[in-house]
Amino acid sequence: AQSVTQPDIHITVSEGASLELRCNYSYGATPYLFWYVQSPGQGLQLLLKYFSGDTLVQGIKGFEAEFKRSQSSFNLRKPSVHWSDAAEYFCAVETSGTYKYIFGTGTRLKVLA
Amino acid sequence: DGGITQSPKYLFRKEGQNVTLSCEQNLNHDAMYWYRQDPGQGLRLIYYSQIVNDFQKGDIAEGYSVSREKKESFPLTVTSAQKNPTAFYLCASTRGIRYGYTFGSGTRLTVV
Repeated sequence: AQSVTQPDIHITVSEGASLELRCNYSYGATPYLFWYVQSPGQGLQLLLKYFSGDTLVQGIKGFEAEFKRSQSSFNLRKPSVHWSDAAEYFCAVETSGTYKYIFGTGTRLKVLA
Repeated sequence: DGGITQSPKYLFRKEGQNVTLSCEQNLNHDAMYWYRQDPGQGLRLIYYSQIVNDFQKGDIAEGYSVSREKKESFPLTVTSAQKNPTAFYLCASTRGIRYGYTFGSGTRLTVV
């Protein structure tokens, strides 16, 4: 069965430091890949998506992600974190034809001033 | 502005009662989804609908029911058969799965 793994439940970084959140998926073909962000008590907002082409994709709020087929990974990065980036981040995949996503369990980011 | 509206934001239910969560969108999206979110478990799919008058069960449909009589509306009923209904419920829609979901702001349901 298809699955999505976010190995880090919590991550703490200092403001201004770089950030990388990990996402691994289990699926034979290349799925459609997404990263979402959720502030407490709110819905999710789409940060970026990948389904073909350049393996480095740019998103909103200064985030980027790189698709690595050999590692079945789609890690989210940001060069310099701001205090407002503190939130929970979810990786999601859609395996073509299912019309639905599988979400990872999320990574909660804490930013130290 | 277009978007998805979920109401109410907070809902309290007594055991044994059915409750209905509202989800309305004005994005002209065909597909709509209901997810349940519990701490540490991510989002789990309850039901989804790709077109009016049609819907499919997701991974955790037991104890829930939906209807899709209008394109704009996809209400979720949490029935008394749902053993552990206390959770955060999220509605989403999309114009096509490759475009990503637009989410509502959620309804927090608490059984008292």
